[in-house]
Amino acid sequence: AQKVTQAQTEISVVEKEDVTLDCVYETRDTTYYLFWYKQPPSGELVFLIRRNSFDEQNEISGRYSWNFQKSTSSFNFTITASQVVDSAVYFCALSEQTNTGNQFYFGTGTSLTVIP
Amino acid sequence: GAVVSQHPSRVICKSGTSVKIECRSLDFQATTMFWYRQFPKQSLMLMATSNEGSKATYEQGVEKDKFLINHASLTLSTLTVTSAHPEDSSFYICSARDFLSAAQPQHFGDGTRLSIL
Repeated sequence: AQKVTQAQTEISVVEKEDVTLDCVYETRDTTYYLFWYKQPPSGELVFLIRRNSFDEQNEISGRYSWNFQKSTSSFNFTITASQVVDSAVYFCALSEQTNTGNQFYFGTGTSLTVIP
Repeated sequence: GAVVSQHPSRVICKSGTSVKIECRSLDFQATTMFWYRQFPKQSLMLMATSNEGSKATYEQGVEKDKFLINHASLTLSTLTVTSAHPEDSSFYICSARDFLSAAQPQHFGDGTRLSIL
């Protein structure tokens, strides 16, 4: 079973539109961490945000905001007033602490294209 | 923030060549580094977990003799693709964590685009 599901494979929006990228996760742990990464066309992965399972407060950073809802096991990412530079693949990830260490799971990614 | 350097960024070589990729943590010590492979328009596929001073842990289906991993120091891990063939062409990316805690994000290198002719 997929631990992290990003159901949206590709999204296209026109510049200045808002867009929400969905992320649904699955875990039995009470302590876990969620992440979002951005991968622009150049290929490097850029860390955007980390959220721990005990903090459901939504976070806003400029045009980016994240909505964490444990009740629906979702950690959605919204870009407000999208720009061409936001075009990238976005990955959601889950980190769990296990007895033997920890596991890091990536979703399959959502490719966002912002059309000028 | 934590910086991971990966070198080279791009390699084009003939079939049968062995290619070494380096991954360095520049401003922190990484007891564990991770090697991923990414095909076009696909997600990251974990190949192996590299532990300093011990043998790497490979994921199922990844050939240990094909993809040699060495983690000789707390700041350097290398991936060697031995006798590379066209099917090995891919984007390889490494990552490292400051320490092995679920709370820590993975910090990624810029990736290596490998093309085998």
